[in-house]
Amino acid sequence: DGGITQSPKYLFRKEGQNVTLSCEQNLNHDAMYWYRQDPGQGLRLIYYSQIVNDFQKGDIAEGYSVSREKKESFPLTVTSAQKNPTAFYLCASMAGLANYNEQFFGPGTRLTVL
Amino acid sequence: SQELEQSPQSLIVQEGKNLTINCTSSKTLYGLYWYKQKYGEGLIFLMMLQKGGEEKSHEKITAKLDEKKQQSSLHITASQPSHAGIYLCGAGLEAGGSEKLVFGKGTKLTVNP
Repeated sequence: DGGITQSPKYLFRKEGQNVTLSCEQNLNHDAMYWYRQDPGQGLRLIYYSQIVNDFQKGDIAEGYSVSREKKESFPLTVTSAQKNPTAFYLCASMAGLANYNEQFFGPGTRLTVL
Repeated sequence: SQELEQSPQSLIVQEGKNLTINCTSSKTLYGLYWYKQKYGEGLIFLMMLQKGGEEKSHEKITAKLDEKKQQSSLHITASQPSHAGIYLCGAGLEAGGSEKLVFGKGTKLTVNP
């Protein structure tokens, strides 16, 4: 079955540690996205990538980094510079950007920084 | 200011009742997406609308984009407890495609049996 997988579902880290969230898709989609979801704030875009080896900052990129070495993978690193990293993180993918296509989401990773 | 406004923020209905959720923008909506989310889970794609006046249905859920393409409504007929969750609208604000979507804050739906 085609889809988007995120791992792990729950992640706990100590303050000051970097942590990497995994996102993999087998939909052959070109574009991939990382969002952060906080209660009452909806979805906020962190980073997105339209093609391999290229990515752009979203609205709240500070304290985060990404890579896109393979079409199917778009890992997100939450660095120690992110002041409030505890949140629910969602990865998404879309077939292309020339026209509006369906954007699908993964199951999410809940990160808690202690 | 929020580019997409959803109303109401929360809704409690009795099973079997109909309900409507709205998504409004001051800008033209070129791609309008509706998603459903259970707490702590990912977003489930429901429907996407692009043309003014377009209407799509899936089971008991109908979504419509108005002629001016600045408002979309999501209507659920004969609601069931399985419809409970958070409904989010997302949209592209550029003609011909967009690098990114903007999202509303969501509408929390509770269906009482």
